[in-house]
Amino acid sequence: EAGVTQSPTHLIKTRGQQATLRCSPISGHTSVYWYQQALGLGLQFLLWYDEGEERNRGNFPPRFSGRQFPNYSSELNVNALELEDSALYLCASSGGQGQLYQETQYFGPGTRLLVL
Amino acid sequence: AQSVTQPDIHITVSEGASLELRCNYSYGATPYLFWYVQSPGQGLQLLLKYFSGDTLVQGIKGFEAEFKRSQSSFNLRKPSVHWSDAAEYFCAVAGAAGNKLTFGGGTRVLVKP
Repeated sequence: EAGVTQSPTHLIKTRGQQATLRCSPISGHTSVYWYQQALGLGLQFLLWYDEGEERNRGNFPPRFSGRQFPNYSSELNVNALELEDSALYLCASSGGQGQLYQETQYFGPGTRLLVL
Repeated sequence: AQSVTQPDIHITVSEGASLELRCNYSYGATPYLFWYVQSPGQGLQLLLKYFSGDTLVQGIKGFEAEFKRSQSSFNLRKPSVHWSDAAEYFCAVAGAAGNKLTFGGGTRVLVKP
């Protein structure tokens, strides 16, 4: 069974540009989560989508946004990039049949974003 | 609000020695607890999780963790460390099923030959 996939693996942008990151969840999972792992700031929750709806949002400005498509894949968009947005962005998915699956988040390999 | 503390930023162990990583959480009710491992440049791999029941949980790669409600702890242990265990380990808590994870700051483990 394929795991969570993310693209691209690396992304280089300049300040002020927009970045789009993509995530495909494990087949059968309906929830997608986005986390930011920035140097010195640890892993921070960004967004949670389930069944196409935004369910929860972390303490990030509105220029961080996203969406979830009917096939449950997801995009994270970061507008007006700032230098401090440089980080590893991790996507996770959860859900599926049975209680044991719904509470566990499985992570993808991440997209490393560098803002110059 | 939920929070997680991993008191040790770095730990160095010799190959074959035992390993214990500390994790303390803050949450009003019974939390969902997780340990993840991250190898350099990689995503997070789930080692084990605790939802309810037996407080000693077994995970992959020979790891186990014990939930102690009285100490608000969920420490990770391995009896004999292998060089491939060198990585960063994260403890995390979720307040409800399917909700966001709150992570500790991580503990980086170095393994000496």
